[in-house]
Amino acid sequence: DAGVIQSPRHEVTEMGQEVTLRCKPISGHNSLFWYRQTMMRGLELLIYFNNNVPIDDSGMPEDRFSAKMPNASFSTLKIQPSEPRDSAVYFCASSLGGYEQFFGPGTRLTVL
Amino acid sequence: KQEVTQIPAALSVPEGENLVLNCSFTDSAIYNLQWFRQDPGKGLTSLLLIQSSQREQTSGRLNASLDKSSGRSTLYIAASQPGDSATYLCAVRSNDYKLSFGAGTTVTVRA
Repeated sequence: DAGVIQSPRHEVTEMGQEVTLRCKPISGHNSLFWYRQTMMRGLELLIYFNNNVPIDDSGMPEDRFSAKMPNASFSTLKIQPSEPRDSAVYFCASSLGGYEQFFGPGTRLTVL
Repeated sequence: KQEVTQIPAALSVPEGENLVLNCSFTDSAIYNLQWFRQDPGKGLTSLLLIQSSQREQTSGRLNASLDKSSGRSTLYIAASQPGDSATYLCAVRSNDYKLSFGAGTTVTVRA
């Protein structure tokens, strides 16, 4: 079975550019989460979708960040414009209801 | 706000020794607790999930216990191997959907 799929795995961009991260959750899962991991702050929840609807985006750092889930099998996290402090590993995770969360391999973002 | 603490931050043991990793949390009103493994530069792999009504879960050489009233969980890894070297993260799900993560324990198993 395919797990959570994320693309790209690595992204290097320059400050001010738009960045789009993609996620395909596990088929049948109805909850999707975007996390960010840094050395300083550890793992932080950015946004949570349930049945494709954003339920909690209180973790989104600022208006430069946006996330969408147009259907049950696809989600995007967009940063526009990107800044060096956005450099981190971004994880997508999915689950069925309140059970086990399964994480994707992450996207390592570097903003120069 | 749920606070999750993992002690120690790092642990180095010789191969064959049993590992004991500790996790504590401040709010006992939890839904479940999940232990993850993270290898350097990789994603998180779920190891065990314990529901709030359970006391322990076992998978192979791994055993996790949960004492909800005291806000503690312990992950035991029996007969450690060099391949067990990784960072182990504890995550607590409160009675909504959020996972609160500890900072992790980095384990090194020396051959």
